[in-house]
Amino acid sequence: GIQVEQSPPDLILQEGANSTLRCNFSDSVNNLQWFHQNPWGQLINLFYIPSGTKQNGRLSATTVATERYSLLYISSSQTTDSGVYFCAVRRGNEKLTFGTGTRLTIIP
Amino acid sequence: EPEVTQTPSHQVTQMGQEVILRCVPISNHLYFYWYRQILGQKVEFLVSFYNNEISEKSEIFDDQFSVERPDGSNFTLKIRSTKLEDSAMYFCASNRESTEAFFGQGTRLTVV
Repeated sequence: GIQVEQSPPDLILQEGANSTLRCNFSDSVNNLQWFHQNPWGQLINLFYIPSGTKQNGRLSATTVATERYSLLYISSSQTTDSGVYFCAVRRGNEKLTFGTGTRLTIIP
Repeated sequence: EPEVTQTPSHQVTQMGQEVILRCVPISNHLYFYWYRQILGQKVEFLVSFYNNEISEKSEIFDDQFSVERPDGSNFTLKIRSTKLEDSAMYFCASNRESTEAFFGQGTRLTVV
């Protein structure tokens, strides 16, 4: 099956800092999503980004499908950005394969 | 905005008991999924469902698990005889054809 690797596994930053999270995947896909898991365990959809670049406020994401990676950028971090960020990929309507996540901690 | 709804949000059950986790997918979606996440681990696929039948299942989805879409709106996951290792967060998801998957808020199952 498709392998998904995320880096770094853990990231601790001061409030106001910028960060880049990376997702590498082992095979061609046509669906890539980024999620934020909040402290209550809910998976919050951030981006559906099979290719190209999208922006939503302080967050943006870029997927380079031909090189099998995606990046999530968080600018001017706030404490509410803390949590685990997951990347997930699939082809068509197959199951989503999740990465192991990046745990982001923002210190006030 | 339409959303996937799961009930209950928390369930505590005794080992060996049956549990049914319920999901209401978004109404015009055709593909349905269950995933689970053991505390501190990544999200794992359990089963996918399309056109009233299972389209794929993982090794985790053994004979103790079953899914049903009884009435055209609900999508349920039943665990016949729960074990301690079934304690996890269970997520339901749905999507239209080859598009973004939408997840419910999850059911936290604790088996004691």
